[in-house]
Amino acid sequence: SAVISQKPSRDICQRGTSLTIQCQVDSQVTMMFWYRQQPGQSLTLIATANQGSEATYESGFVIDKFPISRPNLTFSTLTVSNMSPEDSSIYLCSVDGDTGELFFGEGSRLTVL
Amino acid sequence: EDQVTQSPEALRLQEGESSSLNCSYTVSGLRGLFWYRQDPGKGPEFLFTLYSAGEEKEKERLKATLTKKESFLHITAPKPEDSATYLCAVQADWASNDYKLSFGAGTTVTVRA
Repeated sequence: SAVISQKPSRDICQRGTSLTIQCQVDSQVTMMFWYRQQPGQSLTLIATANQGSEATYESGFVIDKFPISRPNLTFSTLTVSNMSPEDSSIYLCSVDGDTGELFFGEGSRLTVL
Repeated sequence: EDQVTQSPEALRLQEGESSSLNCSYTVSGLRGLFWYRQDPGKGPEFLFTLYSAGEEKEKERLKATLTKKESFLHITAPKPEDSATYLCAVQADWASNDYKLSFGAGTTVTVRA
């Protein structure tokens, strides 16, 4: 299984600001996935990030709000732009294993005031 | 659209009191069903993958089973360290070209000593 490191682990942000979350994997992977977990709810896929191409966003998520970079096969960033209190969530980076399972980082807990 | 429903939402058990968690799903062809454990403040930890009806997987006090419509996670003689939220996720068949996982809302298990 891959080892996934996320930074920051948590942050408190002001309304209207933006924050970039970093995800580093200890091995090269084709696809990286960004999920959101709102308080008391399950995981919702935001987008899939492939190296060398634009990220693919799920319904309800747009690039202007959640720009993603994927500069190489071991790293990705997710930016949460122009934050509002509704963006307070845990943001999780994940990669897929050999048989379809996902491995997750520890998550980045964002609180927007 | 794939749907995953987990029940109950919360389960309080006495140490040693065995029980089962349910995950019912609707998917257009199942490629895999996944169980995860999530501790507070952490990312989900992969437990099992099940591929076809009748399949069973075991890990310590946990046993996962799969039918055509649902999966069960049996916890045998639980200990306080089994306290966590257990998440179920499904992945549609590769033929549908939809590889992403759809997660249920989870069952939060609390085991009292």
